[in-house]
Amino acid sequence: AQSVTQLGSHVSVSEGALVLLRCNYSSSVPPYLFWYVQYPNQGLQLLLKYTTGATLVKGINGFEAEFKKSETSFHLTKPSAHMSDAAEYFCAVSPLSGGYNKLIFGAGTRLAVHP
Amino acid sequence: KAGVTQTPRYLIKTRGQQVTLSCSPISGHRSVSWYQQTPGQGLQFLFEYFSETQRNKGNFPGRFSGRQFSNSRSEMNVSTLELGDSALYLCASSLGQARGVNTEAFFGQGTRLTVV
Repeated sequence: AQSVTQLGSHVSVSEGALVLLRCNYSSSVPPYLFWYVQYPNQGLQLLLKYTTGATLVKGINGFEAEFKKSETSFHLTKPSAHMSDAAEYFCAVSPLSGGYNKLIFGAGTRLAVHP
Repeated sequence: KAGVTQTPRYLIKTRGQQVTLSCSPISGHRSVSWYQQTPGQGLQFLFEYFSETQRNKGNFPGRFSGRQFSNSRSEMNVSTLELGDSALYLCASSLGQARGVNTEAFFGQGTRLTVV
């Protein structure tokens, strides 16, 4: 069964610092990959997605992620953190076989941004 | 364009009761998926409906069921509620035509269910 591992349940950065949230997936065939953000008492908002093509994917709010097949990774980065980036971030995969719109989520990483 | 609407936002039920949650997808979207979010288990897939048919199902007991209507609105039902069913239930809609870029899912704000 496919799974998603997010390294670090909590990440803390200073405002203006680099944000790096790690995500690894387990699959012999690269699935579709997504990053979602969740603010308190809210649903999930899509930040970016990788399906096919360019391995560096740009998303909203200055975030980007790079798909590395050799490392089975899809890490999320942002060059300069803003206070408004504080939220929980989820990496997800959508299986290629029989999965249709099923998403398998990682455990999430809570990002704190301090002044 | 209106987003995904879930009602109610908050719900308190007693053990043993049943509950029905509602989800109205984005206009034109035919796929509706349901997820359970808890602090211990995280986000888990419950099931997906497309054109009134359940197309995919997660590993949940039969107490969890759903349906989809001809207008793509979906309901989720949980019978014989247990304390462990307390969670945020999220609904997601997508075009759902086939695998590909249409798999982008838009989430509602969720229904917070508390079982006492």
